[in-house]
Amino acid sequence: EVQLVQSGAEVKNTGESLRISCKGSGYNFYAFWIGWVRQMPGKGLEWMGIIYPDDSQTIYSPSFQGQVTMSADKSVSTAYLQWSSLQASDTAIYYCARVNSPTLGTLWFDPWGQGTLVTVSS
Amino acid sequence: QSVLTQPPSGSGTPGQRVTISCSGSSSNIGSNTANWYQHLPGAAPKLLIHRNDQRPSGVPDRFSGSKSGTSASLAISGLQSEDEADYYCAAWDGSLNGYVFGTGTKVTVL
Repeated sequence: EVQLVQSGAEVKNTGESLRISCKGSGYNFYAFWIGWVRQMPGKGLEWMGIIYPDDSQTIYSPSFQGQVTMSADKSVSTAYLQWSSLQASDTAIYYCARVNSPTLGTLWFDPWGQGTLVTVSS
Repeated sequence: QSVLTQPPSGSGTPGQRVTISCSGSSSNIGSNTANWYQHLPGAAPKLLIHRNDQRPSGVPDRFSGSKSGTSASLAISGLQSEDEADYYCAAWDGSLNGYVFGTGTKVTVL
């Protein structure tokens, strides 16, 4: 079974750093792009970017470029999303998801991780 | 604000058919494929439809997708109480060089 399991909920203070993880299993992790999606409280889904674990190539949403860093370690089948200095506005649920399809134009996400709630207090 | 526009809400009684629209442009749905996700409260989003009208295994055939020009639609026939959720369309946008989600539609089963 293809599965993505994310790290647990985090509570941080403004200005702290954070890295959350997404571990894949049941498939060749290195061969599929992984995407990150944000859902702020009471809001919709926002695409943050995608990373290709085999060579760590990334495509960031302009809205998130420079705000977060995506990385991956294919040796442990895990993708990461990190912040160097959290803000209260980073409070959200963050989902990882596997990208399917060989072309960006036909891209879809399946399956999804269970989500990681990040709470940043000021 | 999203470049894919959906009605904020939709509703129906059990057994009815509900249709959700997703309006885009030539740079997203007009030139790429549309996908639909179901987001139940407290759960991870789930893929319902990919590549406009393809239903993954395990998704009931009550859910169907279509695309025409720069718009896509999701139809839920035989509405059930467990269909009460938020629904999002999504597509790659070549102008933005990114994946865009729709504004989301909350479906209520009356």
